[in-house]
Amino acid sequence: DIQMTQSPSSLSASVGDRVTITCRASRNINNYLNWYQQKPGKAPKLLIYAAVNLQSGVPSHFSGSGSGTDFTLTISSLQPEDFATYYCQQSYTTLFTFGPGTKVDIK
Amino acid sequence: EVQLVESGGGLVKPGRSLRLSCTSSGFKFGDYSMTWFRQAPGKGLEWVGLIRSKGFGGTTEYAASVKDRFIISRDDSNKIAYLLMNSLKTEDTALYYCTYYHSGGPYYYFENWGQGTLVTVSS
Repeated sequence: DIQMTQSPSSLSASVGDRVTITCRASRNINNYLNWYQQKPGKAPKLLIYAAVNLQSGVPSHFSGSGSGTDFTLTISSLQPEDFATYYCQQSYTTLFTFGPGTKVDIK
Repeated sequence: EVQLVESGGGLVKPGRSLRLSCTSSGFKFGDYSMTWFRQAPGKGLEWVGLIRSKGFGGTTEYAASVKDRFIISRDDSNKIAYLLMNSLKTEDTALYYCTYYHSGGPYYYFENWGQGTLVTVSS
């Protein structure tokens, strides 16, 4: 099975900050990597698919990069509605493993 | 508009069974692989299993934690996916979500999700 790790597990930031979340796969997954945002009591929301593609309707201050085993989600200027938990997910295999999540809260 | 509505959750004793349903609309159900995820209270997301579209064999796959206990099936005529959970354990307590991806790929991702149905396994 492919294991996914994320860092940090949590962070505190202010509105307007640049935030970077990293995700690492236990083996090469090419660019089969998705990012989701989840708010309390809500289903996950797809932000980025295939490592770099912004899902329709997602604000452009979100971006993804990386390939192979190392990936990054960047929020270029944190907005009030961005405080949430972020998960990466591999889709290289259909076991669809998630990372443990990164909680972004208000500083 | 795509809609996915999970139902069938509730309180159940360990060792018993429960069947969840995912009623779908707004997309061509038969072309998609239906997938179940779950999230234990305060925890992260876990893939449970999937059933591929008939065009891709209608085959199923399961996470190791539920294999041999859970069964996923689909009714393409009524656009419903099912998750039959047998021999339930307390660690199966979670909010269960259904979603889908296009079987043809090449990239698989989940852009539409239901609201989830809560399963609590407790004596």
